[in-house]
Amino acid sequence: QQPVQSPQAVILREGEDAVINCSSSKALYSVHWYRQKHGEAPVFLMILLKGGEQKGHDKISASFNEKKQQSSLYLTASQLSYSGTYFCGTGERGGSGYSTLTFGKGTMLLVSP
Amino acid sequence: EAGVAQSPRYKIIEKRQSVAFWCNPISGHATLYWYQQILGQGPKLLIQFQNNGVVDDSQLPKDRFSAERLKGVDSTLKIQPAKLEDSAVYLCASSFGGGGAGEQYFGPGTRLTVT
Repeated sequence: QQPVQSPQAVILREGEDAVINCSSSKALYSVHWYRQKHGEAPVFLMILLKGGEQKGHDKISASFNEKKQQSSLYLTASQLSYSGTYFCGTGERGGSGYSTLTFGKGTMLLVSP
Repeated sequence: EAGVAQSPRYKIIEKRQSVAFWCNPISGHATLYWYQQILGQGPKLLIQFQNNGVVDDSQLPKDRFSAERLKGVDSTLKIQPAKLEDSAVYLCASSFGGGGAGEQYFGPGTRLTVT
């Protein structure tokens, strides 16, 4: 089942903050976050593997609430380079024992000067 | 470290024709994925290999799509015959670990247009 991302799009001015949410109806093994710029491949941002885990680098961080099956991506003091489409990918255990990723539809972020 | 390589980058074919895409993953990565990304959507997993074995192909339209991973390294995805709705970007990715636990590195993709 595809995770639901919100909002679908957000426009920011440089220096403003944003939060992107990702929720699933299934129990999650992991949450991945990727950013994709127009015409380019998705680029890995971070993985959260444990409920309650929080990670971050530079001014981008994320949290994972395992009980609520939700994750949030926080972008602080946004820069022009943050523009792109952000995808969450939720990991679930398959019947074979291996886990697979299901991506949401994405959140388009535009940072203007 | 070299990234994931894919070819061709662009392909235009007519419906009912066949097409093949090639992927070379990052050296040492045991897991290889093929995703289909339709414009405005997130990547959709078509098939996942662990070494040269298939671990998930539940969303692969097997009446027209096929994929193989030779000797656990390179992989080929084929569509025969193509339909208009197959127009999309086909992304190959690889990871050291399994799909849910490993960071996935994506190749540049092949943009397929079916007319």
